Amino acid sequence: EAGVVQSPRYKIIEKKQPVAFWCNPISGHNTLYWYLQNLGQGPELLIRYENEEAVDDSQLPKDRFSAERLKGVDSTLKIQPAELGDSAVYLCASSLRGSATYNEQFFGPGTRLTVL
Amino acid sequence: RKEVEQDPGPFNVPEGATVAFNCTYSNSASQSFFWYRQDCRKEPKLLMSVYSSGNEDGRFTAQLNRASQYISLLIRDSKLSDSATYLCVVNMLNAGKSTFGDGTTLTVKP
Repeated sequence: EAGVVQSPRYKIIEKKQPVAFWCNPISGHNTLYWYLQNLGQGPELLIRYENEEAVDDSQLPKDRFSAERLKGVDSTLKIQPAELGDSAVYLCASSLRGSATYNEQFFGPGTRLTVL
Repeated sequence: RKEVEQDPGPFNVPEGATVAFNCTYSNSASQSFFWYRQDCRKEPKLLMSVYSSGNEDGRFTAQLNRASQYISLLIRDSKLSDSATYLCVVNMLNAGKSTFGDGTTLTVKP
């Protein structure tokens, strides 16, 4: 079974440029998460989807960040414009709501963003 | 104060040692608890869930103390391959919200 797929794996951009990350969750997983992880810290939730609905986006900086999961499967996270402080690893995770292991999250390899 | 706090370490131990990590959480309504493992420059992966009665998986034992609001992870007979960062995760089950600690780094040396 394929795991969570993310692309690109690495991205280097100049500040003020836009950037987008893509995530394809494990087949059948209806819950999708985007996290931000800084060096030496744990993942911090940006947004959580149940199917195509964003059920928790309270930590998403909406002035520059946006996300979508139009068909309830894959998802895109966008930053426009990027700032130096956005340099981090962006992790996507998925889980299957309603199962006994509902809160077991499966993570993708992440996108390492560097803003110059 | 962070919702989930861990001693960042690093813990440097010799092979074969027993090492224990603690994690404290502030929200008494937290309902489920996990330990994840993260290798350097890799994604987090579930190590084990933490049950109220405590649970064991091979060399790993997890305990939950709801009264004191902490969970622990004990690793016996440490292996070189146990070197990683261990992340404590606290969930509000019905809300589907997970909060990660910043992790404890373990280095097992020959």
